[in-house]
Amino acid sequence: AQSVTQLDSQVPVFEEAPVELRCNYSSSVSVYLFWYVQYPNQGLQLLLKYLSGSTLVKGINGFEAEFNKSQTSFHLRKPSVHISDTAEYFCAVSEGSGNTGKLIFGQGTTLQVKP
Amino acid sequence: KAGVTQTPRYLIKTRGQQVTLSCSPISGHRSVSWYQQTPGQGLQFLFEYFSETQRNKGNFPGRFSGRQFSNSRSEMNVSTLELGDSALYLCASSLGELGSGNTIYFGEGSWLTVV
Repeated sequence: AQSVTQLDSQVPVFEEAPVELRCNYSSSVSVYLFWYVQYPNQGLQLLLKYLSGSTLVKGINGFEAEFNKSQTSFHLRKPSVHISDTAEYFCAVSEGSGNTGKLIFGQGTTLQVKP
Repeated sequence: KAGVTQTPRYLIKTRGQQVTLSCSPISGHRSVSWYQQTPGQGLQFLFEYFSETQRNKGNFPGRFSGRQFSNSRSEMNVSTLELGDSALYLCASSLGELGSGNTIYFGEGSWLTVV
């Protein structure tokens, strides 16, 4: 069975500082990996996804993530955060060969950007 | 292009009642999935429908059901509501092609409060 672990429930950081949100996954089959962001009282917005190919994936709003198969990780990074990045971030995995509508989510990481 | 639309956005129900939530996917999307989001359990997959057929199902009791219409619109129903069913219910849609890593787009959600 697949599972996703987000290692930090909350990450406080000052504005313009770099940030890394950590995500590890467990799966016995090939997977697709995703990062979503959720602003208060809103749905989920896709930041980026890894399907195959280059292990460094660039997404929207200056975010990027690196897929590391040996460490089964997919950490999200941003070199300089803004106040507007304050939100909940979710890492998710889906089975690579099918089940495109089914995502397994981590518990989420709250990014708190302070002025 | 309109996004995923969910109705109603907010509703309050009494224990024992039933509720029906509606979802209109992005035009052209044939897969609709439903998720439950609670503070304690996080984001959990309920079920996925593709071309009017349930393609995948999560670990929820039979009180949770859904269906999809020929125009890809979907409804989910929860019968005999319990206090623990209070949650944000998110609908998501995608093209639904297996193994292709289609992007899954989420709606704003329906906030259900059971009293």
